[in-house]
Amino acid sequence: NAGVTQTPKFQVLKTGQSMTLQCAQDMNHEYMSWYRQDPGMGLRLIHYSVGAGITDQGEVPNGYNVSRSTTEDFPLRLLSAAPSQTSVYFCASSYRQIMNTEAFFGQGTRLTVV
Amino acid sequence: AQSVTQLGSHVSVSEGALVLLRCNYSSSVPPYLFWYVQYPNQGLQLLLKYTSAATLVKGINGFEAEFKKSETSFHLTKPSAHMSDAAEYFCAVSEETSGSRLTFGEGTQLTVNP
Repeated sequence: NAGVTQTPKFQVLKTGQSMTLQCAQDMNHEYMSWYRQDPGMGLRLIHYSVGAGITDQGEVPNGYNVSRSTTEDFPLRLLSAAPSQTSVYFCASSYRQIMNTEAFFGQGTRLTVV
Repeated sequence: AQSVTQLGSHVSVSEGALVLLRCNYSSSVPPYLFWYVQYPNQGLQLLLKYTSAATLVKGINGFEAEFKKSETSFHLTKPSAHMSDAAEYFCAVSEETSGSRLTFGEGTQLTVNP
């Protein structure tokens, strides 16, 4: 049971480059989210999706795009990387309407933009 | 809008001593509250959650938390700290019981001294 899988684990980008952070889950969860973690700021929600074909913005969406073409996958795209996007990124998934459940997190992607 | 405040970015205790990590929340709707733990270079693991059942919630690894509506608090405690408890702890709030779209506090780094 893989849970939530994020790739890559580490990445270094130059300013202006683009890249996609991958996230996949095998639990048939409707809900998927992307967070960024910065020192002293906890985790902040970037984008989320309540199901295939449906996405919405979170607290800090600028500079990021997402799409949800399947239930399993929720990639996060950086179109033109900036040093301010240096962070650790976490993907999470959960059931949408089942009570007494929880969000499951991936192991994170550590991104450095130079 | 929801928010979470964790008092104390760093807490240091001796092995065997009481652990108390403070969390206060603000929410315009009945909140669902969560404590997560993050070990170095790992993702987040759910410790416990409050979803409007019992106000005293027991979690994994001997941790528990009490929901106090009058104080808008959800402090995390453990009677006797172990070296293995050293980690970063995050309090979070959500409008949904599944923990989707979490709003996190800033985090508290717990150090356990021998």
